[in-house]
Amino acid sequence: TQLLEQSPQFLSIQEGENLTVYCNSSSVFSSLQWYRQEPGEGPVLLVTVVTGGEVKKLKRLTFQFGDARKDSSLHITAAQPGDTGLYLCAGARGQNFVFGPGTRLSVLP
Amino acid sequence: NAGVTQTPKFQVLKTGQSMTLQCAQDMNHNSMYWYRQDPGMGLRLIYYSASEGTTDKGEVPNGYNVSRLNKREFSLRLESAAPSQTSVYFCASSEADRTSYEQYFGPGTRLTVT
Repeated sequence: TQLLEQSPQFLSIQEGENLTVYCNSSSVFSSLQWYRQEPGEGPVLLVTVVTGGEVKKLKRLTFQFGDARKDSSLHITAAQPGDTGLYLCAGARGQNFVFGPGTRLSVLP
Repeated sequence: NAGVTQTPKFQVLKTGQSMTLQCAQDMNHNSMYWYRQDPGMGLRLIYYSASEGTTDKGEVPNGYNVSRLNKREFSLRLESAAPSQTSVYFCASSEADRTSYEQYFGPGTRLTVT
């Protein structure tokens, strides 16, 4: 059983469309991180959210941490082919992070 | 700065063989980690080292050993490889053992055990 669930597992959209991916858990996390991973490379941190209800924006990406700090969402506006990749969420657990299985996004030109 | 480097990039082993995966970071980070990544499973923590001279088990430590050789280097050893250890292995480092700190990942080692 995954501590962190991510949905959808796969998403294929056209350039210019908007999308939202989700990260859910029954556990409370003190903080949550989102990473993007490209083929053949390691994950790269996009954002860390700490406070329940927190919203952070990174250009066309908007991240929200749920009020109860159990879930998070990532919204991408006007997706571009460069957004293609595996999006991973990771929740802080003790001194380490627990990772979700990821959402694999493909943005077609 | 090279960041986090890992060697080798690819490796094929036969069941029962041993090998060591090497990891080094040049960011003067205290904490280092070894993860494995399998399809549909995300990244799972094998071992971590909060500081030089200390190591602790993560979620999936069985079949692995680690050595924090110095502040820069953290190696992962498979004493007797099994097909279940076929995976992509990532090393990461962070500034401290605080969970709000960014983890920097290496490019990974793709290991196949036949």
